[in-house]
Amino acid sequence: GAGVSQSPSNKVTEKGKDVELRCDPISGHTALYWYRQSLGQGLEFLIYFQGNSAPDKSGLPSDRFSAERTGGSVSTLTIQRTQQEDSAVYLCASSLYLSPYEQYFGPGTRLTVT
Amino acid sequence: GDSVTQMEGPVTLSEEACLTINCTYTATGYPSLFWYVQYPGEGLQLLLKATKADDKGSNKGFEATYRKETTSFHLEKGSVQVSDSAVYFCALSEIAGGTSYGKLTFGQGTILTVHP
Repeated sequence: GAGVSQSPSNKVTEKGKDVELRCDPISGHTALYWYRQSLGQGLEFLIYFQGNSAPDKSGLPSDRFSAERTGGSVSTLTIQRTQQEDSAVYLCASSLYLSPYEQYFGPGTRLTVT
Repeated sequence: GDSVTQMEGPVTLSEEACLTINCTYTATGYPSLFWYVQYPGEGLQLLLKATKADDKGSNKGFEATYRKETTSFHLEKGSVQVSDSAVYFCALSEIAGGTSYGKLTFGQGTILTVHP
């Protein structure tokens, strides 16, 4: 079946602009996660959604970052007023339920802020 | 807070050599432990996992044993192949009081290169 998909695969934006990154999880998966992979910080958790529960936003680095998940499926990560330090690969993952169920990762969106 | 420490890389081996990538963790609860692998040009994928002490996870010839007494989850393979060249991440997910916290905490990753 189809895996986790993310769009766009690459995004170049100017400092100060807003960007939206999209994630389509595997159908039927109740949990959805966002991570960030950067050279300096490695792989960092950002936020997760589980069913209808309030999301765990504890990993969001600043209030410029927000995410939503509509209808328990597609998720959008929004970064406002982008900064150069936001440049990274943003990974989305989904799982049938919360860990330790396997998280299936998408290919990522490479964000470059110039 | 939770943390995962992996051995410094990169690691370069000849084909058929033995591999060990060390991983130790700090957690306040009772974590599940994972090894994820990222092959060149591909996304992260689960390699193996262990959910309780003394469990051994295994897949594709790789093994790791959950050692609670040493808070370790070292990855081992007896004979590596060129196709094992990838980045390997140790990770944990916290479970406390029967509640899963969902998120994965990753180590820094270890780049493995295997030469013919």
